[in-house]
Amino acid sequence: EAQVTQNPRYLITVTGKKLTVTCSQNMNHEYMSWYRQDPGLGLRQIYYSMNVEVTDKGDVPEGYKVSRKEKRNFPLILESPSPNQTSLYFCASSLYPGRRLAGNVETQYFGPGTRLLVL
Amino acid sequence: GQNIDQPTEMTATEGAIVQINCTYQTSGFNGLFWYQQHAGEAPTFLSYNVLDGLEEKGRFSSFLSRSKGYSYLLLKELQMKDSASYLCAVRARTDDKIIFGKGTRLHILP
Repeated sequence: EAQVTQNPRYLITVTGKKLTVTCSQNMNHEYMSWYRQDPGLGLRQIYYSMNVEVTDKGDVPEGYKVSRKEKRNFPLILESPSPNQTSLYFCASSLYPGRRLAGNVETQYFGPGTRLLVL
Repeated sequence: GQNIDQPTEMTATEGAIVQINCTYQTSGFNGLFWYQQHAGEAPTFLSYNVLDGLEEKGRFSSFLSRSKGYSYLLLKELQMKDSASYLCAVRARTDDKIIFGKGTRLHILP
């Protein structure tokens, strides 16, 4: 089954304690992305990656790091979490956003989300 | 700057038709997406437009006018399960970023 998985789904941590949220996809997608979603602000892109070893900042990259050593994995790292990073996080993947292959639109598939609370 | 605007909330009646508008100002344009998101769940893809015109997909249709920076999502024969947030997103040509609007929460009344 084609899917994007994230772990953990729920996490409570304390300020300053490094954490990693994993993201994995089994669709051989090139493009992977991390978003955070906050009430009243919508989805905001944190980082994205066009392929292995290629990563770029989205709109809100401060306080986050990512890596793309393998095509299937795109972990999100919070080196020193702070309370303002409490949020709902989504990982997403696609072949290439908007690419049209054989008449089908390839779009982003989202993981189930990770709820993070930083105390 | 880059900006996507859509109404915060809308209400419609079961069986009716509703149109959700989205206007955008981005650094270049390379496609506009509509997603549906139920509370507490991940967004799911509804439609994609990169050329001007109407794309129809069952009860849902999406329209794009690039010259006006405008799109709408049209939902027909509304059902209670259509109560959700609808997200408009644009991919900027210049840097491959994807920018989302804040979403429109649609309430369906019986």
